[in-house]
Amino acid sequence: NAGVTQTPKFRVLKTGQSMTLLCAQDMNHEYMYWYRQDPGMGLRLIHYSVGEGTTAKGEVPDGYNVSRLKKQNFLLGLESAAPSQTSVYFCASSARNTEAFFGQGTRLTVV
Amino acid sequence: AQKVTQAQTEISVVEKEDVTLDCVYETRDTTYYLFWYKQPPSGELVFLIRRNSFDEQNEISGRYSWNFQKSTSSFNFTITASQVVDSAVYFCALSLMNTGFQKLVFGTGTRLLVSP
Repeated sequence: NAGVTQTPKFRVLKTGQSMTLLCAQDMNHEYMYWYRQDPGMGLRLIHYSVGEGTTAKGEVPDGYNVSRLKKQNFLLGLESAAPSQTSVYFCASSARNTEAFFGQGTRLTVV
Repeated sequence: AQKVTQAQTEISVVEKEDVTLDCVYETRDTTYYLFWYKQPPSGELVFLIRRNSFDEQNEISGRYSWNFQKSTSSFNFTITASQVVDSAVYFCALSLMNTGFQKLVFGTGTRLLVSP
């Protein structure tokens, strides 16, 4: 049982490049989330999804887009990467009124 | 809006010492969840505990214990007889209960260093 799997685990981008982070969960959870973790700031919610085909903005959504075409997958896209998007990205999933389970994280550096 | 404050940025202890990590939260909602997560040096986030706002009973799990006090809006975490393996960053978080999903608001974390 893999839980929440993020791909890739590390990535270096040049400013202006685009990329997609993939999150997959095998727990049949309804809800999925993308957070970013920056030094001294804890984790902040970027976008979330309450079900297949639905997405919503979190606390820091600017510069990111998301899609949830399948219940088990939640994609985070950066259309034009900026150095301010250098961060560690975490995906999480949860069932109704249960704790969230997190993936291993993706360390993204934008140069 | 919700807010979680972890005023202790870093704590250093020697193995076998007891240590308490503080967490203070703010919310106007009366129904909410409080969480603690552990982030070891390997980087993953490990769920430790969830409490709901209706239940102020303290909880003990092995060397870990949690003290939830609504009167002071605090949810403190104590590790008894700390071990080197407890070295990690610990996050306190809050989410509202009325939605069913976990839009977590995290504190900035407390880094715990346990030396032999």
